[in-house]
Amino acid sequence: EVQLVESGGGLVKPGGSLRLSCAASGFTFSDVSMSWVRQPPGKGLQWVGRIKTKTDGETTAYAAPVKGRFTISRDDSKNTLFLQMNGLKTEDTAVYYCTADPIGAHRNWGQGTLVTVSS
Amino acid sequence: DIVMTQSPDSLAMSLGERATINCKSSQSVLSSSNNKNYLTWYQQKPGQPPKLLIYWTSTRESGVPDRFSGSGSGTDFTLTISSLQAEDVAVYYCQQYYSIPITFGQGTRLEIK
Repeated sequence: EVQLVESGGGLVKPGGSLRLSCAASGFTFSDVSMSWVRQPPGKGLQWVGRIKTKTDGETTAYAAPVKGRFTISRDDSKNTLFLQMNGLKTEDTAVYYCTADPIGAHRNWGQGTLVTVSS
Repeated sequence: DIVMTQSPDSLAMSLGERATINCKSSQSVLSSSNNKNYLTWYQQKPGQPPKLLIYWTSTRESGVPDRFSGSGSGTDFTLTISSLQAEDVAVYYCQQYYSIPITFGQGTRLEIK
């Protein structure tokens, strides 16, 4: 059974940093592109970015609102996906989901971790 | 960026009725290389993460009831629930993954009348 478990969320002040992790199991992590999707409280889904497999160069892509501030990386030896978030803004407040994208679409989702940016 | 627009924003139907949700993209999401539309549908129930329902416009994900179906091509797409069940109460999102940035529709809230 595929499992994705996010961690690392919490309360941070504007301008601060946070690193989210997503522990994956139940599939061959190194073979699958992964993404982060976020959902502000009471709002819709926003794609944050994705990282391809090592075979595809671990290429990353980001949404415009986070480009230059957020970095997605992966450690295939630990089956773990990361989201390093710097220069956090109040508008980054959201539940952050990691997803596994073996077919391009977000097939599997974690339960999410809440990031609150507030002074 | 490809803008995804869903209609309606909310929908209230009776049990057993047919529900239709529309999704329009600002540009075609049809790939000429494989003739596939890069359009997916997700269902999100309260307090839960989204769940993949349909990908490639009309391919139902494993385990999804066959009352859910997707159709369309190019820029106009539809999610149909043939006979509404109580457990279908949720917010439904379309998404294009044809080009970066990947974009979602604003969501359609489906309720029971």
